[in-house]
Amino acid sequence: GQQLNQSPQSMFIQEGEDVSMNCTSSSIFNTWLWYKQEPGEGPVLLIALYKAGELTSNGRLTAQFGITRKDSFLNISASIPSDVGIYFCAGVSGNTPLVFGKGTRLSVIA
Amino acid sequence: ETGVTQTPRHLVMGMTNKKSLKCEQHLGHNAMYWYKQSAKKPLELMFVYNFKEQTENNSVPSRFSPECPNSSHLFLHLHTLQPEDSALYLCASSQERTGRTEAFFGQGTRLTVV
Repeated sequence: GQQLNQSPQSMFIQEGEDVSMNCTSSSIFNTWLWYKQEPGEGPVLLIALYKAGELTSNGRLTAQFGITRKDSFLNISASIPSDVGIYFCAGVSGNTPLVFGKGTRLSVIA
Repeated sequence: ETGVTQTPRHLVMGMTNKKSLKCEQHLGHNAMYWYKQSAKKPLELMFVYNFKEQTENNSVPSRFSPECPNSSHLFLHLHTLQPEDSALYLCASSQERTGRTEAFFGQGTRLTVV
């Protein structure tokens, strides 16, 4: 089945630093989504991307839909303690349901 | 408030018990999903319902039985579970056939099988 390779698996950063994480696939996707999950909660949608090359921002978060349609990245600028959580990428290819990456666990040191 | 509500938030059950998880969405969506989230594993899709019809059953054991009486409600009936079934069970909904496949999740039910 389709798989998404998300990296890095975890990150420890200082408050104020910028963060970058990405997701790659061997298959072409026509939708990329980025979610954040905090402990004891369900994933919350951050950004949705529908066109190759699309660059979308949500506050300090920026995500891009790769030109090849096989990858996407998420950047967080000037991280703050509340950015802590697990970030998931998800993709849709054709009529198949969402496929999720394994997540990037972000820790922010104040 | 995400518009998707799951109850209960926590559940502890014995292996011989029968219990049900409930999901309700207030977003007017026509598709609902059950996902299983175990430690150190990616989200695993279990079931998909489109317009109340089950369109995906991802090789889930028969001890998990979904029910979708209408497009706003989704249940997961549990019977004779195993300890390895302990996990966070997440419900999600989306509006299919519009080209926008954003899924919105509930807060999950933390299930512990003893």
